[in-house]
Amino acid sequence: ILNVEQSPQSLHVQEGDSTNFTCSFPSSNFYALHWYRWETAKSPEALFVMTLNGDEKKKGRISATLNTKEGYSYLYIKGSQPEDSATYLCAFLSNDYKLSFGAGTTVTVRA
Amino acid sequence: EPEVTQTPSHQVTQMGQEVILRCVPISNHLYFYWYRQILGQKVEFLVSFYNNEISEKSEIFDDQFSVERPDGSNFTLKIRSTKLEDSAMYFCASNPQLNSPLHFGNGTRLTVT
Repeated sequence: ILNVEQSPQSLHVQEGDSTNFTCSFPSSNFYALHWYRWETAKSPEALFVMTLNGDEKKKGRISATLNTKEGYSYLYIKGSQPEDSATYLCAFLSNDYKLSFGAGTTVTVRA
Repeated sequence: EPEVTQTPSHQVTQMGQEVILRCVPISNHLYFYWYRQILGQKVEFLVSFYNNEISEKSEIFDDQFSVERPDGSNFTLKIRSTKLEDSAMYFCASNPQLNSPLHFGNGTRLTVT
């Protein structure tokens, strides 16, 4: 079992504010890092697959960065909206193709 | 857009009974997975399946669990003799290649009483 940690476990943000949170993972045997967004009563949906150190990916107001040398990734939400409320999961894919999930960061955007 | 579909959405069963959870992965995907999430805990890997056989299984996936692809479309998870601690949300997922993101179904909530 690979140690994938996400922090904080939950956060509340005011509508319009920006926020970010962290995923840390082993810095060895890295193949890729996945970010998923999981809304209540729905299935997790892939946001990003990141493979290269220094990668930055963006989808609308959500972006992510990757540091494979130190084993962390940040997810940023700019100008949070109520529809951004969800649990954000990161998952570490090792180079033997084993995918290990973090516990998630639950974001609640207050109107 | 093609989806992974799971049935039923909720299954209630008595301890000791057998249950079969069903999944239809996306048709051109080659790799299939079962994950589960016990309430309040992490999403946990159970098993992966490729080319009609198990490619990887976790320590959770003991002898009470089995998977099958009975035809060209369905992918099933059978739990032979359910225990209270099997109560969880079970997710099926698939992807076309090992390093592609997973496409998840909506899950089956299993409640063992």
